[in-house]
Amino acid sequence: DTEVTQTPKHLVMGMTNKKSLKCEQHMGHRAMYWYKQKAKKPPELMFVYSYEKLSINESVPSRFSPECPNSSLLNLHLHALQPEDSALYLCASSRGRSNTEAFFGQGTRLTVV
Amino acid sequence: LAKTTQPISMDSYEGQEVNITCSHNNIATNDYITWYQQFPSQGPRFIIQGYKTKVTNEVASLFIPADRKSSTLSLPRVSLSDTAVYYCLVGDTGVTGGGNKLTFGTGTQLKVEL
Repeated sequence: DTEVTQTPKHLVMGMTNKKSLKCEQHMGHRAMYWYKQKAKKPPELMFVYSYEKLSINESVPSRFSPECPNSSLLNLHLHALQPEDSALYLCASSRGRSNTEAFFGQGTRLTVV
Repeated sequence: LAKTTQPISMDSYEGQEVNITCSHNNIATNDYITWYQQFPSQGPRFIIQGYKTKVTNEVASLFIPADRKSSTLSLPRVSLSDTAVYYCLVGDTGVTGGGNKLTFGTGTQLKVEL
């Protein structure tokens, strides 16, 4: 199984809503990532988790709150988002260290209204 | 953190070899060079990774000169289905705890025609 599964595929939320994006992998990878991608732009790194601990936060606003409940799951909790946060949110996992082969999910298309 | 520079776009025809060059002048000792492919509305897909010299797998080759300040992705005999954005990344493998800091550059839009 070389899949990274993200749910939901699409999400529309209001600016006062609270929602969560979920990501799951069963490849035994201990590094997991959240990226944000706007149309026709490259993915932007948001967070890196390694061994279920947050190791990189790329100065992401606090309205985005990551969580890694166990080695297979990664969540991104969303609260009080702005319309400019609308984007494709991508989750990835990798073995890490000298292996930079990351497996990406299909993403969650988020629209903030 | 090393940044990468790639051509914005390239055009090719089916059956030709395509070479995409990436510049990464500030590459650090811990950094590996990795290439990803992305189709619209899909997550990026790993193509190849290298540290120095030449690496080849079933889909591509990666050429890295001794100074490691640039790299070239070579796609042999491209087809229409190779039309995609190709990203060169210089991935920091020295992150505490073992994750990688994989930062995408602007990418190269490859268009393959008949």
